[in-house]
Amino acid sequence: QQPVQSPQAVILREGEDAVINCSSSKALYSVHWYRQKHGEAPVFLMILLKGGEQKGHDKISASFNEKKQQSSLYLTASQLSYSGTYFCGTEIQDFGNEKLTFGTGTRLTIIP
Amino acid sequence: KAGVTQTPRYLIKTRGQQVTLSCSPISGHRSVSWYQQTPGQGLQFLFEYFSETQRNKGNFPGRFSGRQFSNSRSEMNVSTLELGDSALYLCASSLPRGPTDTQYFGPGTRLTVL
Repeated sequence: QQPVQSPQAVILREGEDAVINCSSSKALYSVHWYRQKHGEAPVFLMILLKGGEQKGHDKISASFNEKKQQSSLYLTASQLSYSGTYFCGTEIQDFGNEKLTFGTGTRLTIIP
Repeated sequence: KAGVTQTPRYLIKTRGQQVTLSCSPISGHRSVSWYQQTPGQGLQFLFEYFSETQRNKGNFPGRFSGRQFSNSRSEMNVSTLELGDSALYLCASSLPRGPTDTQYFGPGTRLTVL
């Protein structure tokens, strides 16, 4: 079942913070985050595992709440280069039958 | 290391025709997954191949098929094209596929069905 992302779109000024949420109705094993710029391929950002810690690099980080089956992506002090559509991909614990199911995306626009 | 490559990058076909798309994974990667991306539906999983075997399949009709060769290159075929098949088709490669393995996407093939 497809995870639900919120918000669907957000517009920020450079330097502002954003949070993108990804929720699933199923018990998750991992959550993958990607960013896709217009006309380009999705680019991997990070992966969070069940039982894992919050991850991050540069000013982008993410958390995984197992009780809520929800992951959140945090973008702090946003830069123009952060613009794009962010997708979460979720995996349930079904070894040998892994399938990455993506949300419909959150379009992030950063304006100067 | 070269990334995932897909050919052709753009295709225009008419209804009823068939099409074959190609994907070459990153060297050393043995798993290839295919996705259909449309504005309304986002990224939809088509199927995954590992060591020339289909490991998993999404909810698409039988008109969509694929295969993988011994060098891990993969092809996807769509027969009897419909207007609704117009989309960006992405392939992604990874090391032996597991829930913790990162998938690396190719640039995609833009298919337009007229």
